[in-house]
Amino acid sequence: AQSVAQPEDQVNVAEGNPLTVKCTYSVSGNPYLFWYVQYPNRGLQFLLKYITGDNLVKGSYGFEAEFNKSQTSFHLKKPSALVSDSALYFCAVRDMGGSTLGRLYFGRGTQLTVWP
Amino acid sequence: EAGVAQSPRYKIIEKRQSVAFWCNPISGHATLYWYQQILGQGPKLLIQFQNNGVVDDSQLPKDRFSAERLKGVDSTLKIQPAKLEDSAVYLCASSLAPRGSGFGNEQFFGPGTRLTVL
Repeated sequence: AQSVAQPEDQVNVAEGNPLTVKCTYSVSGNPYLFWYVQYPNRGLQFLLKYITGDNLVKGSYGFEAEFNKSQTSFHLKKPSALVSDSALYFCAVRDMGGSTLGRLYFGRGTQLTVWP
Repeated sequence: EAGVAQSPRYKIIEKRQSVAFWCNPISGHATLYWYQQILGQGPKLLIQFQNNGVVDDSQLPKDRFSAERLKGVDSTLKIQPAKLEDSAVYLCASSLAPRGSGFGNEQFFGPGTRLTVL
């Protein structure tokens, strides 16, 4: 069965420090992986995706994520956090080998708080 | 480029009443999705349309939920009758058609409709 796990409900970091938001997945075929961010009272905004190619993908607002096939992980990272990065972050996977081809599965979300 | 539009933004109803949500996707996006996001959880797909045809509705509670996209553009999601557990944010999203390599296309989300069932 397809699933996405975000093991941390909350991540707190100081402004200027590096941040990592963790994500692991389980799929039957090759994964297409996505990160979205949600600000209060707004819909989800796309940050970045991994389809194929380089394991390190770069996205919007200075975020990047590393695909690790052996660990089935796709952690979101940023070298220097900003207070404005505080939001709810969702990891999502599209299982390209399952019966639900095309369906996007989301994790529960991780609330990132960056304090000044 | 205009984003995905949804209305209303907020709705409060009593259980057993009916409610309808409207979505207008980004122009040119053939695929439209409705998600349910319960507080503390990630979005869960309810139904996916490709143009005006249903691609995936296996997670839609069909005894009370219905959705249509008659002209392949805007869409309506209806709940009748509503239950307390339907309290959630209903998100509409759209994307370019996910065929072939297009499965990598990202989805664009609207602001959502927050439904409270009393």
